[in-house]
Amino acid sequence: DADVTQTPRNRITKTGKRIMLECSQTKGHDRMYWYRQDPGLGLRLIYYSFDVKDINKGEISDGYSVSRQAQAKFSLSLESAIPNQTALYFCATSDPPRNEQFFGPGTRLTVL
Amino acid sequence: AQRVTQPEKLLSVFKGAPVELKCNYSYSGSPELFWYVQYSRQRLQLLLRHISRESIKGFTADLNKGETSFHLKKPFAQEEDSAMYYCAPAYNFNKFYFGSGTKLNVKP
Repeated sequence: DADVTQTPRNRITKTGKRIMLECSQTKGHDRMYWYRQDPGLGLRLIYYSFDVKDINKGEISDGYSVSRQAQAKFSLSLESAIPNQTALYFCATSDPPRNEQFFGPGTRLTVL
Repeated sequence: AQRVTQPEKLLSVFKGAPVELKCNYSYSGSPELFWYVQYSRQRLQLLLRHISRESIKGFTADLNKGETSFHLKKPFAQEEDSAMYYCAPAYNFNKFYFGSGTKLNVKP
């Protein structure tokens, strides 16, 4: 089955470290997204990409960067992790016109 | 900034009772409206989208443009409906804003 996968699934790191979260998809979708989820706040959009050459900031992009290496891969980087970036991170894909988002399983990141 | 509000963090009902999960969104143009659901140990997934005017697993959602609301309803809740529900209006070519979610607990 076509899928959205995220690696790693869990990561504990220290303040100041550089971290990369990876997302891969076999759905053939052009559009990919990164969200973070915090308790009581729902999902907030960090970055999104509508194709390989298109990168857009979302609601909360400060402290994050992304790379769209191919249609199937969209990576999220924290250049210098800080404790308030501790959260659950989700990757998603979608394809118009239906605009349904397909989510990965999530990466739980803890910054100490 | 676009906003979406789900006022109830937790909603507990008995099996067979009607359920309504509330969602209000801030007005800006004509967003496309969705409800997403996350069952225990499963991924977040689409439940229904307004434009399809569909009923999924007995759930329907009514768009009220005057009140900018998109409440999710089901006349007879089932235990398997217990999950987290997220309202998600999409603005500007598929840019989604998710509410904080409502946890529905259906008691036997």
